[in-house]
Amino acid sequence: QSALTQPASVSGSPGQSIIISCTGTSSDIGTYNYVSWYQQYPGKAPKLIIYDVSRRPSGVSPRFSGSKSGSTASLTISGLQAEDEADYYCSSYRSGSTLVVFGGGTKLTV
Amino acid sequence: QVQLVQSGAEVKKPGSSVKVSCKPAGDSFSSYGFTWVRQAPGQGLEWMGRIIPMLDVADYAQKFQGRVTITANKSTTTVYMELSSLKSDDTAVYFCARGGQWLPNWFDPWGQGTLLIVSS
Repeated sequence: QSALTQPASVSGSPGQSIIISCTGTSSDIGTYNYVSWYQQYPGKAPKLIIYDVSRRPSGVSPRFSGSKSGSTASLTISGLQAEDEADYYCSSYRSGSTLVVFGGGTKLTV
Repeated sequence: QVQLVQSGAEVKKPGSSVKVSCKPAGDSFSSYGFTWVRQAPGQGLEWMGRIIPMLDVADYAQKFQGRVTITANKSTTTVYMELSSLKSDDTAVYFCARGGQWLPNWFDPWGQGTLLIVSS
């Protein structure tokens, strides 16, 4: 069981918007603004798409955006494209000996 | 653009140890932290630990305490992850990733991954 909870799968049609949620606790998302999101294609390494809740690394499409409310973070992908079909993972810094926790991942089908 | 180059696939027997290397190419080694994450077949990502080369300080996930050692060689600018007492469920792809220098709040870029198979 992962420390952060994500839906196993979401789907959307090209051009639509989808939201992937990531629920944690007061030890991680609820206290720290250090939530990041990663996109992973099968057989490939993950790629950072959002960090510090809502910041986008250089080169990442503005169609990707992040937010947080309480202990739940969200990734929004607008204007869905076929190339967005991938697995998405959230991550958060947390207090304690295990400094980082990941969500179980969400498979996006476009 | 920095790349992280990892060592090749390994096949190990249960009870043995493995040491995987990760070498950043084209960037300042001591300005970042380096994290190790693993992914079992068909499963999600699991954080194992990280090292801050400038301080030579490492932190480990509770699950791997006592079984994992992460080190950094500043002269060769290479990071290592050694996992001991291997079990079959350690079979996974192991990734290194560059992160924040002080807080592991982001990971970018990632190495290509190193497949470890643990089998008798």
